Amino acid sequence: AQKVTQAQTEISVVEKEDVTLDCVYETRDTTYYLFWYKQPPSGELVFLIRRNSFDEQNEISGRYSWNFQKSTSSFNFTITASQVVDSAVYFCALSEVYNAGNNRKLIWGLGTSLAVNP
Amino acid sequence: GAGVSQSPRYKVAKRGQDVALRCDPISGHVSLFWYQQALGQGPEFLTYFQNEAQLDKSGLPSDRFFAERPEGSVSTLKIQRTQQEDSAVYLCASSLDNADTQYFGPGTRLTVL
Repeated sequence: AQKVTQAQTEISVVEKEDVTLDCVYETRDTTYYLFWYKQPPSGELVFLIRRNSFDEQNEISGRYSWNFQKSTSSFNFTITASQVVDSAVYFCALSEVYNAGNNRKLIWGLGTSLAVNP
Repeated sequence: GAGVSQSPRYKVAKRGQDVALRCDPISGHVSLFWYQQALGQGPEFLTYFQNEAQLDKSGLPSDRFFAERPEGSVSTLKIQRTQQEDSAVYLCASSLDNADTQYFGPGTRLTVL
C-alpha cells in the first residue's frame, strides 16, 4: 500500500542552523510524484516542489534543497541557514495513480512541525 | 492570478445542522479535490472531480457527505446532520489536470458544537 512516513514530529532549531526534514515513502507504482508542502500558522498549504519518479536529480531553490533517492525511497528536504519565517508544518506527499491512470490523489505524511527560534 | 478561494473561512454549526462549503478553483483548472484535515494530522482525501464528473468519492466518510461541481468550476461540499467528529479543516485543491500539481485554498475550519 502507498504510504508516506515523516518520522520527525517536531524539530526545534536556532536561526541560521541547517535542518533536514526526512520523508520515506512506499509505493507499488513505477510512475509517481513526490511533493513537499509548507503549512504556516495561517493554515494554507503552500506548494514547494514536485518531483517525478524518473528524475532523481537533486534540486536547489535558494535556501531550500531536496534529495531524492529511489534506492532508499526517501525524499528529504533541507533548509540551509534557517530563518524564523521558516517556522511551519511541512508535509511530504505522494501522488498515487489508480483507476488505470485516470485518477490521482495525494497520500500525505503526518507532517513535521519546524520551529525556528531567534 | 487568483488562487483557490474557499468560503466561509470559519463555520460554527450546532450538531444536526446542515452546512455547505464552497470552493472556487483556479480558472481553467480541470481537476478539483476535497480533503479533510483534523488537528495535528495530514490532509485526508475525500473526493475528486474532473470537470463536472465526480470520478472518486471513496474518501467521503459517510453518506452525510455530498459534493458537487455542476458546471465544472465552483464546487460545494455539503455535510448533512453534522456531528462533532466532522469538526476539521476542509481543504479544496485544484490542478490543471489530474497529473499536475495541486494548489490549495485557505481551507474552511468547521467546528460542530
